[in-house]
Amino acid sequence: NAGVTQTPKFQVLKTGQSMTLQCAQDMNHEYMSWYRQDPGMGLRLIHYSVGAGITDQGEVPNGYNVSRSTTEDFPLRLLSAAPSQTSVYFCASSGRAEQYFGPGTRLTVT
Amino acid sequence: AQSVAQPEDQVNVAEGNPLTVKCTYSVSGNPYLFWYVQYPNRGLQFLLKYITGDNLVKGSYGFEAEFNKSQTSFHLKKPSALVSDSALYFCAVRAPPSSGNTGKLIFGQGTTLQVKP
Repeated sequence: NAGVTQTPKFQVLKTGQSMTLQCAQDMNHEYMSWYRQDPGMGLRLIHYSVGAGITDQGEVPNGYNVSRSTTEDFPLRLLSAAPSQTSVYFCASSGRAEQYFGPGTRLTVT
Repeated sequence: AQSVAQPEDQVNVAEGNPLTVKCTYSVSGNPYLFWYVQYPNRGLQFLLKYITGDNLVKGSYGFEAEFNKSQTSFHLKKPSALVSDSALYFCAVRAPPSSGNTGKLIFGQGTTLQVKP
């Protein structure tokens, strides 16, 4: 099993550009989520999904969109990047208990 | 609402000494509790969990945690710290799976553990 994979590992965007962060898992987990990690703020939930076709907002959803067309994939879209979205982004999936995290994407918006 | 508090931003301990990283939580019902560790420039790794049963839970790398329902705490412990344990530690809580419960995981702010030789 590859577990949870994320691409790209690093990305630099200019303000106003859009991009999609990819996330995939091969554990047949129903629950998937996206977090951002900023210094001193821990992990904050952006969006989550409890199954294919079902998504919902987390704590900090503004400026981000998600979709879940398959169980395996859960991409995160930045619609118009802003410097405030400079962060490290983690995708995670879980069965009924612990979550498994991807290696993260470090995003810088200039 | 669910919440998790890690009252210490940093814990310093000498190698070979016992360590404790504190966590308190607020959740309705019987909680699922977790500890994760993050090494520099890496993702989060699962250490251990409490769902039900024995209040003392053993996990990876010699870590353990004690669930205390009356104090709503889930402190992470290790009898003898190693320099390689130096990392960022997160406590997390979720409400148990049930109808209408999405199972969202709520994280504490994190505690940096520094183990000195």
